[in-house]
Amino acid sequence: QKEVEQNSGPLSVPEGAIASLNCTYSDRGSQSFFWYRQYSGKSPELIMFIYSNGDKEDGRFTAQLNKASQYVSLLIRDSQPSDSATYLCAVKEAGNNRKLIWGLGTSLAVNP
Amino acid sequence: GAVVSQHPSRVICKSGTSVKIECRSLDFQATTMFWYRQFPKKSLMLMATSNEGSKATYEQGVEKDKFLINHASLTLSTLTVTSAHPEDSSFYICSALQGAGWEQYFGPGTRLTVT
Repeated sequence: QKEVEQNSGPLSVPEGAIASLNCTYSDRGSQSFFWYRQYSGKSPELIMFIYSNGDKEDGRFTAQLNKASQYVSLLIRDSQPSDSATYLCAVKEAGNNRKLIWGLGTSLAVNP
Repeated sequence: GAVVSQHPSRVICKSGTSVKIECRSLDFQATTMFWYRQFPKKSLMLMATSNEGSKATYEQGVEKDKFLINHASLTLSTLTVTSAHPEDSSFYICSALQGAGWEQYFGPGTRLTVT
């Protein structure tokens, strides 16, 4: 059973701090990794995707991938109350299957 | 770019009736779309993969005769919940793949309530 694991949280950080969200996956052949943000009652929104080992930065967001450790993380710098949401980690299965395996999400609360 | 719409956003129907939900890619062509459902405070559950011009691929445990999927064009997939029952009440969300990439872009979702 291929799995994606996330700490459910809630992760609570003060405004302006760095929020660090972590995700591990079981399928060693996975090549594509995604972070989505989901506000309560809304659908998921793509924040970042990363395919290569290392860091990928986009504004206040940095995705980090370590395939050897089967670990992907999302850093949010200068956290804002509007970042409070559930963050979903998703991993594309190895092979031709186009579907994603989803984590259960980490709830983030940024406190003013 | 990569905008996906869904209609309706909310629907209330009586038990035993059928409901159709539309998912459209507005600014790109999507050969593959996905249908998910999500219960309150739970994660996404993939129901089926919809491929343009061919039959949908359903996940284990999802009844294909109850959840009919049609992907007749490169911009439209529909999900019909047949003979709906209260336990079908849920948040249904579609997503679409843009081009050859693996990133899924989600529609805003449809909240179905069956009374």
